[in-house]
Amino acid sequence: DAGVTQSPTHLIKTRGQQVTLRCSPKSGHDTVSWYQQALGQGPQFIFQYYEEEERQRGNFPDRFSGHQFPNYSSELNVNALLLGDSALYLCASSLPSENGVTDTQYFGPGTRLTVL
Amino acid sequence: QKEVEQDPGPLSVPEGAIVSLNCTYSNSAFQYFMWYRQYSRKGPELLMYTYSSGNKEDGRFTAQVDKSSKYISLFIRDSQPSDSATYLCAMGRDNTDKLIFGTGTRLQVFP
Repeated sequence: DAGVTQSPTHLIKTRGQQVTLRCSPKSGHDTVSWYQQALGQGPQFIFQYYEEEERQRGNFPDRFSGHQFPNYSSELNVNALLLGDSALYLCASSLPSENGVTDTQYFGPGTRLTVL
Repeated sequence: QKEVEQDPGPLSVPEGAIVSLNCTYSNSAFQYFMWYRQYSRKGPELLMYTYSSGNKEDGRFTAQVDKSSKYISLFIRDSQPSDSATYLCAMGRDNTDKLIFGTGTRLQVFP
């Protein structure tokens, strides 16, 4: 049973550039959440996708956008990169919450983004 | 004040010790409480998931939730060097899948 996979593993970009990160959810999961984890900090929620639509969003600027495909895989796009965007970007998959009950989220290994 | 507070450590213990890791929180709406383990340069791995108050045990791990005190704990019995990692607490509310994480506690178990 394949878990959550992410690509690429590492990425180096310069300020002002754009980046696209990719995620394939765990088999059977149709909901994908993205988190940003700065060094020495806990993950911070960016947004969640379900049925190809953004369902929830955290406190991140519009430079952060995403997409979910019919096969449930997802992309995270970040435009106009800043030095402060350097972090580990984590994807988590789950089943959608039902009757208000949150399902367990399983994380991928992450993509480490360095902005120079 | 952060919604979730967690001592970053590091916490260093000898092999075989009982480890206690804790988080406090301020939002009384939290109903879901999780503990994740994260090895260096890896993604978080779910260890324990608890809904509302109470205790949950899984092998060497025990999770406790005290909603009246807004305090959660993870106990690790017979700690092993392979338990050396960062332990993250995470919390969620009804009708949202957004998790709020603590900063993580770095644990080192030495032989």
